[in-house]
Parts: sequence; structure tokens; C-alpha cells
Amino acid sequence: SQQGEEDPQALSIQEGENATMNCSYKTSINNLQWYRQNSGRGLVHLILIRSNEREKHSGRLRVTLDTSKKSSSLLITASRAADTASYFCATVGYNSGGSNYKLTFGKGTLLTVNP
Amino acid sequence: DAGVIQSPRHEVTEMGQEVTLRCKPISGHNSLFWYRQTMMRGLELLIYFNNNVPIDDSGMPEDRFSAKMPNASFSTLKIQPSEPRDSAVYFCASSLEASGRAGYNEQFFGPGTRLTVL
Repeated sequence: SQQGEEDPQALSIQEGENATMNCSYKTSINNLQWYRQNSGRGLVHLILIRSNEREKHSGRLRVTLDTSKKSSSLLITASRAADTASYFCATVGYNSGGSNYKLTFGKGTLLTVNP
Repeated sequence: DAGVIQSPRHEVTEMGQEVTLRCKPISGHNSLFWYRQTMMRGLELLIYFNNNVPIDDSGMPEDRFSAKMPNASFSTLKIQPSEPRDSAVYFCASSLEASGRAGYNEQFFGPGTRLTVL
């Protein structure tokens, strides 16, 4: 399975601190995406990084991808209480037929930002 | 844009009953996905459609589950008969993708339907 696995499962920090979450996967990918889910809500797309990219930024978010190590990290700088949510990485590779992409999600990291 | 719309938001039913979940994707999107989320299994892709055609239904748990997309603006996920183990949050998502592909671009999720089967 190419399913990503986030690490840690839970992270608790103080407002203003940086939060780093990691994602590891097993097979080659086309791209890797990060999503956020607030409690009881749907997932919201944060950032997409393609296999030929190494780093992307979006506001306070920074994502890195190391395809040689099959890993990615999501950094949230200057965290806020509103960043409290679950964060998922989703890897996009090929299905068993090899012809179509398929998006598979990890179990997520629960981030709690304390005011 | 209203985003992806799902109905109902909550459904409570008894074992053996038929359940129909509905989804309206974002206008202009050509790919639609049904996911199921549980604490034990996380977020699982059940089926996805491209241009109203089912492309990959390998995630559908068993014959009790069926999904249709009669047109570009509507899809249903039906469970018949329902069982307590089907209790979960079911999400619909849509995206704009090249033909037959899924996940190449970002997906937009609906708010989900929380299903409880007693």
C-alpha cells in the first residue's frame, strides 16, 4: 500500500510556536497533498507538492518532499489556536492497473494549539 | 460558489433499512469521490467517477453498497440493507481532473453525512 503515515499521532503546542508534522509513504508517487480537518467538518485542501518539487510555501505553511526517503513534512509557523485540527497527508500514485492515479489518506495528526 | 453539497447531514436508521446519501459537486468539476471515515480505518476511498463514469470502485465494501452518477451535478451512494458496522461519516469530494485520473489536483470536500445504524 502507498498509504501515508503521519507522525506524530498527536501534537500539543503553545500559541506562537511552530508545529511540524511528518508523513512517510511506501511506493512511488505523482504528488502528495496535505489536508486539514476541523472537528466535525469536511477536509480542506492546504497544499499540493508534486514529485519533482522539493519545497512549497503557502502563507504560514511550508511543505517539503524527499522522494529518496519517501517522506514529507508540514511546518506551520507562528501557530494560532485556530490551527487546532487534524492534519492528513494524502499520497497519489497508481492503482493496481497502473493506469490511474489514486488518492490514499493517512490516519492524521491531531494538532492542539493552546492559547 | 456553494461548494460541495451533501444531504442529509445526519442520518439515523435501523439495521436492515435502505439509506441513500446525496451529493452535488462543484459546478464544472468532472470528478467525484465518495469516502468513508471511521476512527478505526481512517478515511477510505469507496468509489470515484470521472465524467459521470465509475472509474474505480475497488473500495466499495460489498454488494450492499452502490453508487450512481446520473449527471454531472448529482450522485448518490446507497446502502441496502444497512448494518451497524456501516456507521461512519461519509464524505463526497469533487475535483477537476484529466480523463480517468484522480488525485492529480486538489479535491474539495463536502461537510459529510454522519450515518448511524442502530
